[in-house]
Amino acid sequence: QSALTQPASVSGSPGQSITISCTGTSSDVGGYNYVSWYQQHPGKAPKLMIYDVSNRPSGVSNRFSGSKSGNTASLTISGLQADDEADYYCSSYTTSSTLGVFGTGTKVTVL
Amino acid sequence: EVQLVESGGGLIQPGGSLRLSCAASGFTVSSNYMSWVRQAPGKGLEWVSVIYSGGTTYYADSVKGRFTISRDNSKNMVYLQMESLRAEDTAVYYCTRDGSSGWYSEIWGQGTLLIVSS
Repeated sequence: QSALTQPASVSGSPGQSITISCTGTSSDVGGYNYVSWYQQHPGKAPKLMIYDVSNRPSGVSNRFSGSKSGNTASLTISGLQADDEADYYCSSYTTSSTLGVFGTGTKVTVL
Repeated sequence: EVQLVESGGGLIQPGGSLRLSCAASGFTVSSNYMSWVRQAPGKGLEWVSVIYSGGTTYYADSVKGRFTISRDNSKNMVYLQMESLRAEDTAVYYCTRDGSSGWYSEIWGQGTLLIVSS
């Protein structure tokens, strides 16, 4: 099972909005509403930010939102803050595996 | 407080065996899907194994036949027994609790580092 495709890096200035894409196929992202997003700061464990495409866990800022169109899911961070600088990974259910599949990861830089 | 704490990582020679442990608190492991996810140094995340509440287990192709996930309900622990270790198994191993749909990890431990090297 190949990893989902994410841009290697995305950057933005404080206060701006950025969007991270996660591209798969109809066997994973496009076929099911089981896309999740994780934030990982250096040396730390990942943290769930979005699940089932667009749901936010309790405690996650509403500046983070998720959506999906066709085979591509997206994570949007609005009102970018310095602490948003981290690596972000998407993940999805896939028919090609009994486990999920992660994306390649995106490094977000706050300019 | 809901928490996962991994232990058991370390330096092991290729071909060796090791067992990782994951201590859960604030919830019951037997009522949840529990997974192991690993991250090689400087690399992305990789699903390794899952154990369902009913006891069914699944593995990544890269570890199938070498790794075994299990749990001890009386101790509220999850384990990952690793055999025939290879250099490419070197990674931080995270224990996770999966969410209600089963396809996301809502709680993560701090991770334990395994280094396979001679």
